[in-house]
Amino acid sequence: DQQVKQNSPSLSVQEGRISILNCDYTNSMFDYFLWYKKYPAEGPTFLISISSIKDKNEDGRFTVFLNKSAKHLSLHIVPSQPGDSAVYFCAASAGGSNYKLTFGKGTLLTVNP
Amino acid sequence: GAVVSQHPSRVICKSGTSVKIECRSLDFQATTMFWYRQFPKQSLMLMATSNEGSKATYEQGVEKDKFLINHASLTLSTLTVTSAHPEDSSFYICSARQRGPLHFGNGTRLTVT
Repeated sequence: DQQVKQNSPSLSVQEGRISILNCDYTNSMFDYFLWYKKYPAEGPTFLISISSIKDKNEDGRFTVFLNKSAKHLSLHIVPSQPGDSAVYFCAASAGGSNYKLTFGKGTLLTVNP
Repeated sequence: GAVVSQHPSRVICKSGTSVKIECRSLDFQATTMFWYRQFPKQSLMLMATSNEGSKATYEQGVEKDKFLINHASLTLSTLTVTSAHPEDSSFYICSARQRGPLHFGNGTRLTVT
C-alpha cells in the first residue's frame, strides 16, 4: 500500500523553464510534508517542507504547494538549472516533523542546457 | 556541511558473513536515528528506529535478528547485517534529526556475492 505516490518516474525540462514535480498521498493523518533531492550513490538532501496548516512555502527558487482536500502537493522549481538534475523524493509524516517519514518512489528530473 | 556521517560508503561481502555499518551524528547528539533501505527504482523504506540506550523499534517485516541495531552513544548507531545473503544487497541509509527535518548520511551500497 503506497501511501505516498509520485506517479511520474521522470521529467525532462529545459534550462530556465519551470519544473513541476507532483506527489499524492492517501493517509489523511499526514500533517508534515518534505521534498528531498538525491544524487546517485548519495543520501537524500533536504530541500523544503510544509506543514498542513499552510498551503504554500517558498524558499528561493523552490516553492511547495499543498492542497489538502485533494491530498496533493507539488514542488515548483523556477528557473530550472542543470544542477537541479537529480531524483526528487516526496515524503510525509503524521504527527509533525518529529515522526518517521514515508517516502514516494521518486521522480528523476533532468534539466537540459 | 554534512551533519550525518555514514561509513563505509560501499562494501562487498560473501554470503554468510556479517557487515557492520556505522552512522554518526556530527556536532550534535541524536537520541534517535533511523535506518532506511532503498532497492533500485524504489522508495526509501524505513527499517527501524534506533533509540539511544534502549532497543531499536523495527518496522513490520524487518527481521530484528538479521539486522542488529546498536545505539550505544548519543552520536553513534550501528547496523549489522548478519549472515548476509544476495537478497540483502541494497542501499542502506541512516538519518538523524538535529533541528527540523531529517538529515541523511550518504548511504552504504552493500553487495553480497
